[in-house]
Amino acid sequence: GAVVSQHPSRVICKSGTSVKIECRSLDFQATTMFWYRQFPKQSLMLMATSNEGSKATYEQGVEKDKFLINHASLTLSTLTVTSAHPEDSSFYICSASSSDNEQFFGPGTRLTVL
Amino acid sequence: SQKIEQNSEALNIQEGKTATLTCNYTNYSPAYLQWYRQDPGRGPVFLLLIRENEKEKRKERLKVTFDTTLKQSLFHITASQPADSATYLCALSEYSSASKIIFGSGTRLSIRP
Repeated sequence: GAVVSQHPSRVICKSGTSVKIECRSLDFQATTMFWYRQFPKQSLMLMATSNEGSKATYEQGVEKDKFLINHASLTLSTLTVTSAHPEDSSFYICSASSSDNEQFFGPGTRLTVL
Repeated sequence: SQKIEQNSEALNIQEGKTATLTCNYTNYSPAYLQWYRQDPGRGPVFLLLIRENEKEKRKERLKVTFDTTLKQSLFHITASQPADSATYLCALSEYSSASKIIFGSGTRLSIRP
C-alpha cells in the first residue's frame, strides 16, 4: 500500500524558534496533501490543504503566516511552525492523496515547545 | 452548525463480543464516510470506506453501515480481541475520498480478556 512518512517524528524546541516538518509520499505522487493538528484526547483538526505548485488553502482560524506550508513537489510538503510557542505543542499529522481518490496518513510528528 | 458525534468517548467490552460504535452527523451531505483506527502516538490507519449509495460494507471482522436518512453510521467489530483496543475515528468527505476529511471526536475502545 501507499506509504507516507513524516520527519521528524518528535521535536522539542525553545519558544520563539521555527520548526519545519516534512511530509513525503514514498511510492506515489501526491497531488494534494493535508495537514492536521491533534491535541491530547481530541480528534484531528484539519489545518490546511495544499496542492502541488499552488498556495495552500487554510481552514478558518488557522494563521497562514504562522503555519507556512510549501508543496514544492508531488512527493513533498513541508509545514513550518514559525515563532513557536508552548500553545503550539501538539501532534501534527499529514495525509496525501493521489488521483486514485484515496488518502493516506503519515505517522505524525510530536512537537513540544518549551 | 456542522457536527460529527461519536456515541461515547470510551467503550469497554469483553473479548469475543461484538463491539458497536456509532457515528452521527448533522448539517453534512457526505459522499463518503470512512472509519479509521488510531493507536496512541500514531497517525490514523484507514479501515473502511462506504459511499452514500451503499448501505453496508464488510471487511473480515469489520462491518460498516451507512444510513443517510438517519445521518448515522454504525461500525461493528465481531469476535473482538484485545488487539482491537484502540481509538476509532469516523470521518466524512463531502466530495470525494481524496477531498477534505472531517473527523469525529473518536471512541476509545478497550477489549478486556
